Amino acid sequence: QVYLVESGGGVVQPGKSLRLSCAASGFSFSSYAVHWVRQAPGKGLEWVAGISFDGLHKFYADSVRGRFTISRDNAKSTLYLQMNSLSVEETAVYYCAREIARYTSGRGLDYWGQGALVTVSS
Amino acid sequence: DMVMTQFPLSLPVTPGEPASISCRSSQSLLHTNGDNYLDWYLHKPGQSPQLLVYMGSNRASGVPDRFSGSGSGTDFTLKISRVEAEDVGVYYCMQTLEPPYTFGQGTKLEIK
Repeated sequence: QVYLVESGGGVVQPGKSLRLSCAASGFSFSSYAVHWVRQAPGKGLEWVAGISFDGLHKFYADSVRGRFTISRDNAKSTLYLQMNSLSVEETAVYYCAREIARYTSGRGLDYWGQGALVTVSS
Repeated sequence: DMVMTQFPLSLPVTPGEPASISCRSSQSLLHTNGDNYLDWYLHKPGQSPQLLVYMGSNRASGVPDRFSGSGSGTDFTLKISRVEAEDVGVYYCMQTLEPPYTFGQGTKLEIK
């Protein structure tokens, strides 16, 4: 059974940093691209960042490029999202999600974590 | 960045009746390999989003066959042949042809 479990959410002040983790199990993590998607309260889904199976290719939404860093540790089957200079508007549930196909990207996200709530507030 | 436009944004449906959601992209999602890089997701209240259809028309594993995706290029449609009560939630299309990936605004399906 495939599992993705996010952690690291919480309350952080504006301008501060937070790192999210996503622990994967039940599949060969090193074979799949993975992504972060968020949903602010009352808003729709927003893709945040993605990373290729080997970690060599990283992609970001315009809104987070330069402040957020996606990374992975295939030996630990864990995905990360380092978030710097957070703003109140980035209060959201952050989901990690796996690509449906091995060794490629852009073909659908078939497994999602339960989400981690990040609250940016003074 | 590609802009994804969904309509309608609200969709009240009587159980047993069909439903249809449209999604239009600002650029063609047809890759040179012949695939359309367009997915459909359902986000039910209190749950994580779930993949319904990928690459325009491929139903994801475990998705009932009353769901179907069609379209090519810039215009896509998700159809539900007979809506059931469990289908309530917000439906999103998402393009994955090129980063940054982008979602549509979402279509909220509710039962009449």
